[in-house]
Amino acid sequence: GDSVTQMEGPVTLSEEAFLTINCTYTATGYPSLFWYVQYPGEGLQLLLKATKADDKGSNKGFEATYRKETTSFHLEKGSVQVSDSAVYFCALSASNFGNEKLTFGTGTRLTIIP
Amino acid sequence: NAGVTQTPKFQVLKTGQSMTLQCAQDMNHEYMSWYRQDPGMGLRLIHYSVGAGITDQGEVPNGYNVSRSTTEDFPLRLLSAAPSQTSVYFCASKGLAGAGEQYFGPGTRLTVT
Repeated sequence: GDSVTQMEGPVTLSEEAFLTINCTYTATGYPSLFWYVQYPGEGLQLLLKATKADDKGSNKGFEATYRKETTSFHLEKGSVQVSDSAVYFCALSASNFGNEKLTFGTGTRLTIIP
Repeated sequence: NAGVTQTPKFQVLKTGQSMTLQCAQDMNHEYMSWYRQDPGMGLRLIHYSVGAGITDQGEVPNGYNVSRSTTEDFPLRLLSAAPSQTSVYFCASKGLAGAGEQYFGPGTRLTVT
């Protein structure tokens, strides 16, 4: 079945550091790929998405490129801020006959220190 | 626009008790779903619905019931709570067209003692 493997955390970085959170996936067909972010005490919010190979999703300085050849969707940001501290989830959706199920990775907790 | 709302935010149950977690959305979305979030396991799909009167099981449906009598509401029922159901529960909704965003509620933290 479908699965998502993402970088184990927790990850701690200094403000203005470069961030990479690795994500690889296994799926049949051509899934859509997502990064969701969960701030403390809140639900999940969509951070960015890509729906086909070589698409780049971007939002709030974060970027991820859909790489079909390596089945990857790594999250990057050039200069992190304290406000980026959150849990980040990589997910895929292989929408099938109306089941819009999201398959999630285990999440990566990111802490940014000033 | 309220988006997806869930009640209650917190709940403590004793083993064997029953309760209903409420979920409502005001975006006229056809698709609604329930996930549970457990440490080290990400989110796992419990049940989902593609419209009023239509529900189906996700990957961890045992111990939970759902119904969808209106487009707006999708309650999750625990018939006889067990400690293994201690978790954070999220409801989500989405329009059926395209690879659009799923909108998540703020969650219900449930503890079963």
